[in-house]
Amino acid sequence: GESVGLHLPTLSVQEGDNSIINCAYSNSASDYFIWYKQESGKGPQFIIDIRSNMDKRQGQRVTVLLNKTVKHLSLQIAATQPGDSAVYFCSEETSGSRLTFGEGTQLTVNP
Amino acid sequence: DVKVTQSSRYLVKRTGEKVFLECVQDMDHENMFWYRQDPGLGLRLIYFSYDVKMKEKGDIPEGYSVSREKKERFSLILESASTSQTSMYLCASSLLGLGRGTVDYGYTFGSGTRLTVV
Repeated sequence: GESVGLHLPTLSVQEGDNSIINCAYSNSASDYFIWYKQESGKGPQFIIDIRSNMDKRQGQRVTVLLNKTVKHLSLQIAATQPGDSAVYFCSEETSGSRLTFGEGTQLTVNP
Repeated sequence: DVKVTQSSRYLVKRTGEKVFLECVQDMDHENMFWYRQDPGLGLRLIYFSYDVKMKEKGDIPEGYSVSREKKERFSLILESASTSQTSMYLCASSLLGLGRGTVDYGYTFGSGTRLTVV
């Protein structure tokens, strides 16, 4: 069935380094993708989105890359800070306005 | 600031109780969703609604029902709570036509309700 998965459940980086969080999706018909950040005790928050007619989109310190050929998404965080420690979810719009979420990657930033 | 508000952060209920989880959004969003979140399983969709008095089953609707009498309110009901329903429950809302508007922020989530059934 349709699913979105992540390659790694955990990622640990040093403060100031760049982080790359990867995600594979299975539905080649998906045309909208969103990354969410979930801090402890909070609901997921929108970080950045990308449509299938793009292969890259940049925000503030974050970049999302989309490779439709291999059905792969990645989230890059520049100069990772302690406040970036959270669980990151990728998601894809599978039908209508319905999103399917990956299992999440726990990012830990070490001082 | 746009908001999705879930009525309780923590709930403890007994097996067999009928449980109501309430969610209210102030963004005039058409779509509302209920997810549960469990370690290693990510977010799984229970029910969703595109309009008042309308509901659709998600991936794991068994043991749950929903009610949407007003556009801003979407309630999740556990008809007879079981220990397997101990989880974090997340409500979300979005504009109709996700990903097709000029400004899209996907889903806006509430802070979650951590339900423990004993």
